[in-house]
Amino acid sequence: EVKLVESGGGLVQPGRSLKLSCAASGFSFNDYWMGWVRQAPGKGLEWIGEINQDSSTINYTPSLKDKFTISRDNAQNTLYLQMSKLGSEDTAIYYCARFGTYDVMDAWGQGASVTVSS
Amino acid sequence: DIQMTQSPASLSASLGETVTIECRASEDIYNGLAWYQQKPGKSPQLLIYNANSLHTGVPSRFSGSGSGTQYSLKINSLQSEDVASYFCQQYYNYPLTFGSGTKLEIK
Repeated sequence: EVKLVESGGGLVQPGRSLKLSCAASGFSFNDYWMGWVRQAPGKGLEWIGEINQDSSTINYTPSLKDKFTISRDNAQNTLYLQMSKLGSEDTAIYYCARFGTYDVMDAWGQGASVTVSS
Repeated sequence: DIQMTQSPASLSASLGETVTIECRASEDIYNGLAWYQQKPGKSPQLLIYNANSLHTGVPSRFSGSGSGTQYSLKINSLQSEDVASYFCQQYYNYPLTFGSGTKLEIK
């Protein structure tokens, strides 16, 4: 069974940093592109970015490129999202997703909640 | 960026009815379109890719169609478990972008 489990969410003060992890199991992690999507409370979905199998290609949505960094550790079957200079606008549920055939997200984690507040 | 305009924002229909959700792209996306279903309190799940291909395990009452800039998701014989929000997403070009979503309720 394909499983993606996010961790590392919580309450963080404005201007601080936070790193999310996504542990993958049930599939060959190093064969897939992986990515992150977020959803602000009561809002729609926003693609953050994606990383290819060997980390040689990372794509970001332009507005977040200077704040967020996506990385992965294939030996640990883990995807990461490093977030810096957090503001209230970054309050959201952060989902980790697997990119299957045709660059669509065919598996999603349960999400990690991040609240940015003083 | 390619803008995805989704309509309606909300929809109420009776069990057994057929509903259609529309998605319009700001430019031709050459069938690079997916539909996702997000049930309340859950993560999104893939329904349709390549505009009209049903993802594994998705009931056949869901179907997708369209081309160019206009796409639609149809749900036949609406079931209670179809209560959810539905999002379209284009993957023809970066950055990947989503529609604003359609919230489907049962009358």
